[in-house]
Amino acid sequence: EAGVAQSPRYKIIEKRQSVAFWCNPISGHATLYWYQQILGQGPKLLIQFQNNGVVDDSQLPKDRFSAERLKGVDSTLKIQPAKLEDSAVYLCASSLHNTRIYEQYFGPGTRLTVT
Amino acid sequence: DQQVKQNSPSLSVQEGRISILNCDYTNSMFDYFLWYKKYPAEGPTFLISISSIKDKNEDGRFTVFLNKSAKHLSLHIVPSQPGDSAVYFCAASAPGANSKLTFGKGITLSVRP
Repeated sequence: EAGVAQSPRYKIIEKRQSVAFWCNPISGHATLYWYQQILGQGPKLLIQFQNNGVVDDSQLPKDRFSAERLKGVDSTLKIQPAKLEDSAVYLCASSLHNTRIYEQYFGPGTRLTVT
Repeated sequence: DQQVKQNSPSLSVQEGRISILNCDYTNSMFDYFLWYKKYPAEGPTFLISISSIKDKNEDGRFTVFLNKSAKHLSLHIVPSQPGDSAVYFCAASAPGANSKLTFGKGITLSVRP
């Protein structure tokens, strides 16, 4: 079975520019997560989707970050405008259902550098 | 406020010996704990989990111990192999929180041949 796909793998932008990340979850997985992992820290959940509805976006900086999951499959995460502190790895994960007994499968991540 | 703490940033052990990775938590609502393993340039992969109704869970070379009164868990790897060299994240979740995970900062394990 194919894993979680993410693109691009690396991105370098200047502050105040915008950027978008794309995620394709494992086929059939209803739940999709976006995490931010700053260097030296663990992943922090930004937003969680169940199908195409938002379950939890309490830690998403909504003034600059947005995410959508059209048709309950692929998802995009956007940052506009980017700040230096947004430099991090952005991880997408998916799971079969929205209960914790179901393992979360992570993609390889997108490493963002904001200069 | 870090609710899941991995206070030792790194650990180095000899191949064949035991690796013990520690994790502490502060949120008494957490009742389900997981360990993830991460290689460079890859996403974390699930390793083993434990529910708070248990104090031990074993899967091959990996055993997780939970001490609820101390709010402490540990991952034991026996015997350690060079392929175990990776970053290990401890994560926790609370009931009613959907499947939201709170991660620690991670511990870098190096297994010397």
